[in-house]
Amino acid sequence: AQSVTQLDSQVPVFEEAPVELRCNYSSSVSVYLFWYVQYPNQGLQLLLKYLSGSTLVKGINGFEAEFNKSQTSFHLRKPSVHISDTAEYFCAVITAMEYGNKLVFGAGTILRVKS
Amino acid sequence: DVKVTQSSRYLVKRTGEKVFLECVQDMDHENMFWYRQDPGLGLRLIYFSYDVKMKEKGDIPEGYSVSREKKERFSLILESASTNQTSMYLCASTSGGYEQYFGPGTRLTVT
Repeated sequence: AQSVTQLDSQVPVFEEAPVELRCNYSSSVSVYLFWYVQYPNQGLQLLLKYLSGSTLVKGINGFEAEFNKSQTSFHLRKPSVHISDTAEYFCAVITAMEYGNKLVFGAGTILRVKS
Repeated sequence: DVKVTQSSRYLVKRTGEKVFLECVQDMDHENMFWYRQDPGLGLRLIYFSYDVKMKEKGDIPEGYSVSREKKERFSLILESASTNQTSMYLCASTSGGYEQYFGPGTRLTVT
C-alpha cells in the first residue's frame, strides 16, 4: 500500500523568506501526488498535483513542487512567504481501490509565518 | 465551482447518542468520501461510496456506518457516539478522477 511521510510537523519561517515543506512517498510503478492546504477552520483546498509530464509542478498562490522519482520525494516550495500562507499543508498520494481511487495523506505540516 | 457542503460546522453530543453528519455535493459526482482528521495523523478514510446505495469500508470504519440514498448526499452515522470519536470530520467528492473536493468540515465533540 502507498504511504506518505511528511518530515516536519511544524515549520516556522519569517515573512518574505523562502520555505520548503518536505514529503516522501513509498515507491510504486505509477504515482500521482498532491499537495492540499487547510486554512484555519476551513476544509482542504488543492494547491497542486503531479499526474505525469514535467517534474516541476506549479500551483496556486506561488507554490511549486518537484517530483523526484529517484529520491521518492515531492517537496513543496515557495520563494517568499506571506503571513496569509499560515496554514496546515498535506501531501497525499493516490492509491487504487477496487471501485475507485483513494487519497492517502501524510500527517500534515503546520506552516507558521511570522512578521 | 464545485460545492461540497456539510450540515454543521460544530456539533456537541453526549456519549451514547446517535449522530448524523450530512454531506451534499452539487456536481453530480459518483464518488463520495468521509475522512476523519486528527492532529499528527492527517486524514484517514472512514468510508467511501462509488454509487447510490454502494459503499466500501475505508481504513477506520469501526464505530461508523454510512448511507447514500441519493447521488448528491452522503451521510455518516455514529450509532453510539464515544469520546474517542471527538474529531474533525471532512467529506469529499470526485467524479472518478484524481482530484477530490472537500467540504468545510464538522468539528464533533463527544462529552
